[in-house]
Amino acid sequence: DQQVKQNSPSLSVQEGRISILNCDYTNSMFDYFLWYKKYPAEGPTFLISISSIKDKNEDGRFTVFLNKSAKHLSLHIVPSQPGDSAVYFCAASGNSGYALNFGKGTSLLVTP
Amino acid sequence: DTEVTQTPKHLVMGMTNKKSLKCEQHMGHRAMYWYKQKAKKPPELMFVYSYEKLSINESVPSRFSPECPNSSLLNLHLHALQPEDSALYLCASSFPGTRNNEQFFGPGTRLTVL
Repeated sequence: DQQVKQNSPSLSVQEGRISILNCDYTNSMFDYFLWYKKYPAEGPTFLISISSIKDKNEDGRFTVFLNKSAKHLSLHIVPSQPGDSAVYFCAASGNSGYALNFGKGTSLLVTP
Repeated sequence: DTEVTQTPKHLVMGMTNKKSLKCEQHMGHRAMYWYKQKAKKPPELMFVYSYEKLSINESVPSRFSPECPNSSLLNLHLHALQPEDSALYLCASSFPGTRNNEQFFGPGTRLTVL
């Protein structure tokens, strides 16, 4: 059973606009959330993370928002650039300390 | 060095072959992981090594045999695989024992079993 869900398989955004990628989770024991970016033929690259004690974390053009009551997080990319085109995976971890539970990914296409 | 390297990049093997996948990191990480990723699916955890000891085996069939010879190296020995084992095999590493579990991934080995 998928504990981390990314319900949008793909998203297309114009260059310069905001990209919003969404992620939902079902396990209330998850307390750390990560976003990874993956280009074809490469492994996932860590992008940004957030602890459950926060509701927002920002790093340059990337901001992650966490709504614990809704078990929902989102990644905002502003402004979007063509080089941001990739598959974005949401992942969550909990008490196990090791296992990352991944969503299925959202393929982002940023068009010039 | 902030890189996880994996060899080979591609591997084609028959069901009776024995082969090995290799992973290496020099970031001082003491936790290393094997994941399997099928097309259009998320990575699925297979094994976790912490301080060179196997700490998690996610009910993986015995035809997959992991090995951690030292803190920088991780191998995955393959024997008598099935065609459904064809996938991208990803290695990752991290500092163990931390709740902020940022894992660094290698580029993966694309395995095809004929």
